[in-house]
Order: sequence, then C-alpha cells, then structure tokens
Amino acid sequence: GAGVSQSPRYKVAKRGQDVALRCDPISGHVSLFWYQQALGQGPEFLTYFQNEAQLDKSGLPSDRFFAERPEGSVSTLKIQRTQQEDSAVYLCASSLVGVAGVYNEQFFGPGTRLTVL
Amino acid sequence: KQEVTQIPAALSVPEGENLVLNCSFTDSAIYNLQWFRQDPGKGLTSLLLIQSSQREQTSGRLNASLDKSSGRSTLYIAASQPGDSATYLCAGPQSGGSYIPTFGRGTSLIVHP
Repeated sequence: GAGVSQSPRYKVAKRGQDVALRCDPISGHVSLFWYQQALGQGPEFLTYFQNEAQLDKSGLPSDRFFAERPEGSVSTLKIQRTQQEDSAVYLCASSLVGVAGVYNEQFFGPGTRLTVL
Repeated sequence: KQEVTQIPAALSVPEGENLVLNCSFTDSAIYNLQWFRQDPGKGLTSLLLIQSSQREQTSGRLNASLDKSSGRSTLYIAASQPGDSATYLCAGPQSGGSYIPTFGRGTSLIVHP
C-alpha cells in the first residue's frame, strides 16, 4: 500500500480484556514508532523499532504494554488487562531510515481509537 | 525533559488571511523539525520537514522556518482557505542521537468561508 495502515480503526474493550493493535508500515521503511494520543494532546512516544529490534521502549506506561515487530515489517502493540486510563488513540508511524538519518520524515497511520469500558 | 509549546492554542479567522503559527522547544538542541496537520479523527499528515542543515522549507502556501539557536519554529500559511481548518502540530527530536520526537499540543485552526 501507499501509506501506513492500522487495524482495527476502532476497538471497544471491557476492562480487563487483552487487545492487539496492528500496524503495517510503508514497505521498506526501517523505523517504526508507536504513540499514544489522548484527547486534545499531542502524540506521546511509546516505543521505537529499527527493523525487528526494539531499540527503545521507555515510553510504555506499564508492563501491561508490549510491542513486537518480529520480521521487521508489521508491528503489533498488545495491551493486557486493559484499564480505563488506556483509552486513547494509538498511532503508528514509519520512516525510511534509522537514527539521525537524512530522510527520517515520519509518516503516520490513521490510528486505532481504543475505548475501555 | 523536552517540552514543546505551540501558540496560539486556537485560532479562528476569515478566509484569505495570512497566518502565523508558533512552536518553541525548552531545549533548543533540536536535530530537525517536522510540521503536521491532523484532521478530526484522523492520523497526522506530514506538511514540511526542516532538516538539520536547513533553516526553512516551503510547500505551496506553506512556509516553515527553524531558528535552532532559540529553539523556535514558525509556520506561515498564506491566503488561508476553509480546507486549511485542522490542528497543526510541530515535533522534533533532540540533537545528540535522540531519535524520539517531542510533540506540541497543537494549534487548532478554523478558517471561515
């Protein structure tokens, strides 16, 4: 595809359920970022992959959050035992090269809106 | 911790006005800077990227400048149109190897016909 895609676009979960959010980056993009965006706020960094390596997960709010990118392409963000405070839009972005690369412009997907009841 | 302030937080103008949106970083050691627009319920669309060796970028009616010495960027929108209505966000990673961009809260723009 031409852009970053994310699925599902909307997810409603009951508190305590596990959810999995998928991101398909632009083909050939080395870097992949996950962000969390609360209403009226800018995106907050969660984690970063360069190919299949998770280089930074310092933004993950708790050990209930887990992300993977096993083959260096598609990534999944998993949230276990969801809580109401997890309700937010989860955005995925990809860029062509890695750290401090010249062409590190980020391209975003449409996001997944998660609502935890 | 890097913080990003965007001024104004909201702007409502009639069609045709030239606009100035401001973005400032608490730590001026910015590597590069990217401006985005976000439409309601949508992801972020990249508008302009100012690389570390550049001071400004232009695309159509948009012009963005970056003053790395002060940690400030300005987005100019010429001859605004109702289709420009959206939230505009700036973001940039810090120098020194950090690849994590810090985002502002955005400027919410409404352009009236």
